[in-house]
Amino acid sequence: NAGVMQNPRHLVRRRGQEARLRCSPMKGHSHVYWYRQLPEEGLKFMVYLQKENIIDESGMPKERFSAEFPKEGPSILRIQQVVRGDSAAYFCASSPRSISATNEKLFFGSGTQLSVL
Amino acid sequence: DQQVKQNSPSLSVQEGRISILNCDYTNSMFDYFLWYKKYPAEGPTFLISISSIKDKNEDGRFTVFLNKSAKHLSLHIVPSQPGDSAVYFCAAGGGTSYGKLTFGQGTILTVHP
Repeated sequence: NAGVMQNPRHLVRRRGQEARLRCSPMKGHSHVYWYRQLPEEGLKFMVYLQKENIIDESGMPKERFSAEFPKEGPSILRIQQVVRGDSAAYFCASSPRSISATNEKLFFGSGTQLSVL
Repeated sequence: DQQVKQNSPSLSVQEGRISILNCDYTNSMFDYFLWYKKYPAEGPTFLISISSIKDKNEDGRFTVFLNKSAKHLSLHIVPSQPGDSAVYFCAAGGGTSYGKLTFGQGTILTVHP
């Protein structure tokens, strides 16, 4: 049973370019979460999606960031016009059910390290 | 607004001794708590959890204690092993944080042989 798959593992972008981070949840999981870890900081929640729906995007910056989880295919976190401050490790997690209703745990991928030059 | 805090950035212990990692939270609506372990260049992996209806949960060498009145939880590892060296995150869920976990900043544990 494959775990949460994220790619690429490392992504280098120049300022102003776009970054696309992909996440395939564990088989049977329909809930996806994106977290960001800035250097020397903990994991910060960004967005929670269920198939084709954004459930909670309270942690997403208001501009340049967007996320989707289409009916078919992986979840995508998209960062437009990247700046140096976007450099961080981006982690995707998944769960089979809503964690609030079931005290479910999250299963994390290995992350994408984004470096903005 | 740091609702989950791990005030010790690092902890160093000798192999075989007990490691105690601490976590405080401010949101009284949180109703379950988890500990994750993270190695460099890997994602966090689940370690142990506890519901607010309990004050202790044990799994092998790992025990989590919850003190709801103090809004404090701790993770005990005994005996500690060099392979336990990692970053440990506590996380909280439930209440107004519907649908997501809120993480602390992490504590770097180093277990010396």
